[in-house]
Amino acid sequence: QKEVEQNSGPLSVPEGAIASLNCTYSDRVSQSFFWYRQYSGKSPELIMSIYSNGDKEDGRFTAQLNKASQYVSLLIRDSQPSDSATYLCAVNESPGRRALTFGSGTRLQVQP
Amino acid sequence: DAGVIQSPRHEVTEMGQEVTLRCKPISGHDYLFWYRQTMMRGLELLIYFNNNVPIDDSGMPEDRFSAKMPNASFSTLKIQPSEPRDSAVYFCASSFLAGGTSEQFFGPGTRLTVL
Repeated sequence: QKEVEQNSGPLSVPEGAIASLNCTYSDRVSQSFFWYRQYSGKSPELIMSIYSNGDKEDGRFTAQLNKASQYVSLLIRDSQPSDSATYLCAVNESPGRRALTFGSGTRLQVQP
Repeated sequence: DAGVIQSPRHEVTEMGQEVTLRCKPISGHDYLFWYRQTMMRGLELLIYFNNNVPIDDSGMPEDRFSAKMPNASFSTLKIQPSEPRDSAVYFCASSFLAGGTSEQFFGPGTRLTVL
């Protein structure tokens, strides 16, 4: 069974610190990787996508992908209380199938 | 540009009743997805369409669930008869196949409560 695994948390970091969120996936042929942020009672919001090994930076967010280790992570620099949310890792397992498989999410708490 | 639109936002119904959820994807998007989110099972795919054609319905839990997409701007998810275990938040998402990406954009969701 194809799986996307995340630590449920909560991950608690002080304001201004770096938050590191991790995700592993089981299907080696996975092609595309996404991070969604979901505030309580709201819908998932796409914040990062990454398709090739290495780092991708967008503002305070950096996504890291290591296909050999089947590992993808999200770093949030200068964490703010407004970053407190659940972060969902999502994987597109093959280019022919557009659906995403989601992890259960990591809850991040940024302490002021 | 308007995002994905879903209606109703909240639905409370009694067991055995028919429930219809509606979705309008982002204009120009050619993929539409229906997801269900619960505390126990997380976010799981029910069905998705490409150019109004159902491609994968393997996530539809049973025959009580059906989905249609009569045109590029409208889709419905129907549950008949509804059961308390169907209580969840149902999300619709859409995407546009450009450069092989799979970025999906979610609607606000419909919170369904079956009593």
